[in-house]
Amino acid sequence: DTAVSQTPKYLVTQMGNDKSIKCEQNLGHDTMYWYKQDSKKFLKIMFSYNNKELIINETVPNRFSPKSPDKAHLNLHINSLELGDSAVYFCASSPTGAGANVLTFGAGSRLTVL
Amino acid sequence: DAKTTQPTSMDCAEGRAANLPCNHSTISGNEYVYWYRQIHSQGPQYIIHGLKNNETNEMASLIITEDRKSSTLILPHATLRDTAVYYCIVGDAGNNRKLIWGLGTSLAVNP
Repeated sequence: DTAVSQTPKYLVTQMGNDKSIKCEQNLGHDTMYWYKQDSKKFLKIMFSYNNKELIINETVPNRFSPKSPDKAHLNLHINSLELGDSAVYFCASSPTGAGANVLTFGAGSRLTVL
Repeated sequence: DAKTTQPTSMDCAEGRAANLPCNHSTISGNEYVYWYRQIHSQGPQYIIHGLKNNETNEMASLIITEDRKSSTLILPHATLRDTAVYYCIVGDAGNNRKLIWGLGTSLAVNP
């Protein structure tokens, strides 16, 4: 049973399209995250949700809209895709309290914008 | 900016210990040291963390200097599957504080 699963694994699309990436965790964690890893391999946090509430929003363009229907799911919707959005997007989750920085990551979703 | 500095790359022979250093000279009193690794084309994987005492688990050992300004991750018997990028990060253990990731150390374990 995959702890943090995200779909799709690969996504190839044209500029200007809208796309979504879904994420689900079965660890019972209260916090979920979206990270972006660019071609230079920097891993940067985009959003963090705790019990469906947004707690971190790292100056991401408002074309990116996360949605958390419940604490086990955090989806990422991207409008009007641009070339610079091409990257690998990782979903992660963690408990609250002392283990808050012990993250479990998904396998990643590679987005290619043509 | 990341609060840690690590060598860009290291090599290790299979079966030998891999010792990965990390400098975090500006670490504050309530910040822990976390280690993660990322095997090619996979998501990052948590390894170990510690505050000031040395820590050991089934994956690795973490040695933190007494002044807490540096640490070493030790993989006691490296295997080819340990080839990965290893990230050293510092952060509060409190709720949901964001971690700032550097570029890590690319460890190559050679047969």
